[in-house]
Amino acid sequence: DQQVKQNSPSLSVQEGRISILNCDYTNSMFDYFLWYKKYPAEGPTFLISISSIKDKNEDGRFTVFLNKSAKHLSLHIVPSQPGDSAVYFCAASGGVSNNNDMRFGAGTRLTVKP
Amino acid sequence: KAGVTQTPRYLIKTRGQQVTLSCSPISGHRSVSWYQQTPGQGLQFLFEYFSETQRNKGNFPGRFSGRQFSNSRSEMNVSTLELGDSALYLCASSLGQDRGRKYFGPGTRLTVL
Repeated sequence: DQQVKQNSPSLSVQEGRISILNCDYTNSMFDYFLWYKKYPAEGPTFLISISSIKDKNEDGRFTVFLNKSAKHLSLHIVPSQPGDSAVYFCAASGGVSNNNDMRFGAGTRLTVKP
Repeated sequence: KAGVTQTPRYLIKTRGQQVTLSCSPISGHRSVSWYQQTPGQGLQFLFEYFSETQRNKGNFPGRFSGRQFSNSRSEMNVSTLELGDSALYLCASSLGQDRGRKYFGPGTRLTVL
């Protein structure tokens, strides 16, 4: 059950430009969204999150936007750096109280070219 | 604090065998979740344990099972291995009382021949 979808398996951008990674979800009960970054041979690491009561959250070069009506979120990286090259996973959780279930998308491989 | 550890890091098994993977969460974390990562499928949720009880379960066959011990360490077992079980198995821990971030281990790479 793909409740969280990342439709772009890969994205390539030039260093210094903006990277935009997209994510869609189907479960309207999700109320907390996260982005994780994964390098080869390592586990995913937390990048940034957003609660459904907000529509934007910024952390340095990373900004996450949430459009609840469209069930869509995006991650903006500005400016992109070669070290940002990794696989990015979108995740969502929520619904039943104390439900720690978290669902992930298939990931988008970002390549930032020098 | 030490991070999430998983053992073994790599494993090769043959079809029909069974395998047990281990995960030690961050100290103080009571929730452990297991995910399967395969190319193109992303992270598929297997199950989550909290205080030794399975709290959530994904859509995997009964061959996949797990348990959690009183010290929060968790094990995952796969019986009657199939070729399609070859994947990276990731364990993640969290405090468990919220819907917040999870901390992942490096994973166990399972290859089924």
